[in-house]
Amino acid sequence: GAGVSQSPSNKVTEKGKDVELRCDPISGHTALYWYRQSLGQGLEFLIYFQGNSAPDKSGLPSDRFSAERTGGSVSTLTIQRTQQEDSAVYLCASSTRDSSYNSPLHFGNGTRLTVT
Amino acid sequence: KNEVEQSPQNLTAQEGEFITINCSYSVGISALHWLQQHPGGGIVSLFMLSSGKKKHGRLIATINIQEKHSSLHITASHPRDSAVYICAVAYGGSQGNLIFGKGTKLSVKP
Repeated sequence: GAGVSQSPSNKVTEKGKDVELRCDPISGHTALYWYRQSLGQGLEFLIYFQGNSAPDKSGLPSDRFSAERTGGSVSTLTIQRTQQEDSAVYLCASSTRDSSYNSPLHFGNGTRLTVT
Repeated sequence: KNEVEQSPQNLTAQEGEFITINCSYSVGISALHWLQQHPGGGIVSLFMLSSGKKKHGRLIATINIQEKHSSLHITASHPRDSAVYICAVAYGGSQGNLIFGKGTKLSVKP
């Protein structure tokens, strides 16, 4: 497929467990973004990767959250010791460069995380 | 801190009506996005603009940098336009760090 792929689409985990969410961006897209959408809340920025530059991690809510992008392609968002407030839809997006000018964002369908 | 305010929060229209959704922000930006989120949750980028006006089909987006305001217009609205429309702004050095509005839920009745 040509779109942004996220897996799993749904994840239910027990409080305290670690989870990994995966994002496969569109081939050739150098910019990759993670956002989350909590129930009743708007979208919020988590982390942004652009090429080989250091990622912008300013949106990560705590040190339990981390993300990496291997080989400039696939990205993994890891949440350690999950808490109930981590329950949300985690969205990944990619673009050909940064989100400026004529580089629109392409979103994946998200991973719905439920922490019980 | 940049705030992004959208209005209205909810909007119900009859098929064929002209629709306007507004977005205001508080500090200078480098780009503004209009996104559409379908009832199933998928998000589609409609427009990205930093000045002027863009048009795609029945959709028109405008931005006034001086007034820190953008509008999304839908002409000849159709029930398939029913969705949540989200405004997001990029500012400062990190273009990926977007600030999102809370969205406008549009329902177009046949």
